[in-house]
Amino acid sequence: SAVISQKPSRDICQRGTSLTIQCQVDSQVTMMFWYRQQPGQSLTLIATANQGSEATYESGFVIDKFPISRPNLTFSTLTVSNMSPEDSSIYLCSVEGGRAPNEQFFGPGTRLTVL
Amino acid sequence: EDKVVQSPLSLVVHEGDTVTLNCSYEVTNFRSLLWYKQEKKAPTFLFMLTSSGIEKKSGRLSSILDKKELFSILNITATQTGDSAVYLCAVYSGAGSYQLTFGKGTKLSVIP
Repeated sequence: SAVISQKPSRDICQRGTSLTIQCQVDSQVTMMFWYRQQPGQSLTLIATANQGSEATYESGFVIDKFPISRPNLTFSTLTVSNMSPEDSSIYLCSVEGGRAPNEQFFGPGTRLTVL
Repeated sequence: EDKVVQSPLSLVVHEGDTVTLNCSYEVTNFRSLLWYKQEKKAPTFLFMLTSSGIEKKSGRLSSILDKKELFSILNITATQTGDSAVYLCAVYSGAGSYQLTFGKGTKLSVIP
């Protein structure tokens, strides 16, 4: 399975600022996914990031708020823009790549607190 | 809208007990069902199920899928304090897409 790292692991930010989260994979992957997990809630897919094309956003998420970059097959970034306390969540990146199709593996996550 | 419902939402047991966690789903174009264990932030993969009636087993954990009744169970026997975590069920659905819909999870607490 792929080894995924994320930076930062946690951050505390002020309202109105932006934070960029990095996700690095130790092997080349076609699809990378960004999820959000708000306190007490389950994981919600924000967007799917393909290398060389625009990210595909799920309903309720827009590029202006969550711009994503995917410059190569091992790296992606998610920016949380103009943050508000409602953006306080765990943000996780994931990739497919196990013994069978559809096995998704997650990075260690970024715990974001917005004051 | 795809839906995954887990029950119970939380559970407290003593070490050595056996627990059964439930996951029911309503999705279009079911492809597979996945179980994860989430202890701090990152969910760790446990099982993927695609066929009905075939039990997946790993140590004290096992899981089975019923595609006719649209549910899955995760069993943990001889529970240990290290099993304390949130267990997430997720379903892959949609033809040609990668939509993974998660349930809210079951928080399991194992006390000595």
